[in-house]
Amino acid sequence: NAGVTQTPKFQVLKTGQSMTLQCAQDMNHNSMYWYRQDPGMGLRLIYYSASEGTTDKGEVPNGYNVSRLNKREFSLRLESAAPSQTSVYFCASTAVPAVPDTQYFGPGTRLTVL
Amino acid sequence: DQQVKQNSPSLSVQEGRISILNCDYTNSMFDYFLWYKKYPAEGPTFLISISSIKDKNEDGRFTVFLNKSAKHLSLHIVPSQPGDSAVYFCAASVGNNDMRFGAGTRLTVKP
Repeated sequence: NAGVTQTPKFQVLKTGQSMTLQCAQDMNHNSMYWYRQDPGMGLRLIYYSASEGTTDKGEVPNGYNVSRLNKREFSLRLESAAPSQTSVYFCASTAVPAVPDTQYFGPGTRLTVL
Repeated sequence: DQQVKQNSPSLSVQEGRISILNCDYTNSMFDYFLWYKKYPAEGPTFLISISSIKDKNEDGRFTVFLNKSAKHLSLHIVPSQPGDSAVYFCAASVGNNDMRFGAGTRLTVKP
């Protein structure tokens, strides 16, 4: 039981390049989330998927797209990376959306855009 | 506009003493408050939470206090242990799909 896994752990991109961050959970959770963490800002919600087949914007969705591939997997895509997207990205999942304390986080992807 | 604020970036305490981490919020619609703990190179892990209908919740060495009139919550750790050294994030939500986090407080517990 790996919990929430994220790939890659580290990535360096040049401005304008694209990439997809992968997230998978093996806990049979319904809801999945993508956050970014910046120094002095805490974690901010980018997109979430309340259930398979649905996605919604969070607090900071601009410049990102997401895909809920199946119940296990939720990917985050940067179509044209910008230096402002340099951040640490965390994926999370939860079984019971009505209970906030059950969100489980992955270890993060550290992305640098030059 | 940060709706959840942790004004102390760092806190250092001696082992065995009390650690008090503070958090302020501006949105009166928040109905659930949480504390997460984060070690380097790991994701945040849930520590303790409190509903807006309560003013205190305890779990072992950890107690969270909520003062709704002041829009303030605090986390007390008694006694503090070196393994508690981590970054602590305060979070607040209206339901589970719009959680807002503070910037975090780095706690160092010295042996």
